[in-house]
Amino acid sequence: NAGVMQNPRHLVRRRGQEARLRCSPMKGHSHVYWYRQLPEEGLKFMVYLQKENIIDESGMPKERFSAEFPKEGPSILRIQQVVRGDSAAYFCASSMNKNTEAFFGQGTRLTVV
Amino acid sequence: TQLLEQSPQFLSIQEGENLTVYCNSSSVFSSLQWYRQEPGEGPVLLVTVVTGGEVKKLKRLTFQFGDARKDSSLHITAAQPGDTGLYLCGRNNDMRFGAGTRLTVKP
Repeated sequence: NAGVMQNPRHLVRRRGQEARLRCSPMKGHSHVYWYRQLPEEGLKFMVYLQKENIIDESGMPKERFSAEFPKEGPSILRIQQVVRGDSAAYFCASSMNKNTEAFFGQGTRLTVV
Repeated sequence: TQLLEQSPQFLSIQEGENLTVYCNSSSVFSSLQWYRQEPGEGPVLLVTVVTGGEVKKLKRLTFQFGDARKDSSLHITAAQPGDTGLYLCGRNNDMRFGAGTRLTVKP
């Protein structure tokens, strides 16, 4: 039973490019959460999605950031026109239901140059 | 704004010492999860506590959930270098996390 899979593990983008981060939840999990983590800091909540629906995006910047979790395929966190301040580790977690245990992926480390 | 407060923020101890870290909230948790994160890795789930007053043990780690379900503690006995990492508590109902306690255990 594979865990939460994130890819790529490392992503380098030039300022102004787009970054696409993918998260495949554990089998049977339909709830996905995205977080951002800066060095030496904790996890900052960004968005919570359930299949085909955004449930809570209160932690997502209003501009340049979007997330989706289609009926088929992984959840995608998309950052348009990246800036140096977007450099961080981005983690996703998945759970079977709301209020059940959530498991994390290994993260994608985004570096904007 | 952090909705969960964890303390201490940093802790550096010698191998063999005991320690306790705390997670507090002004509101009631439906349930709480503790995770450990090592550098360059994703957080790994250690335990979920659900019932007020609950105590769970995982080898040398003891987790306690407060009677009022607004606080939790993690006690480590005879810490080892392998315990080094960032310890995070997360509120299960909205998956928000504290800032974590960064533990370093020196050999």
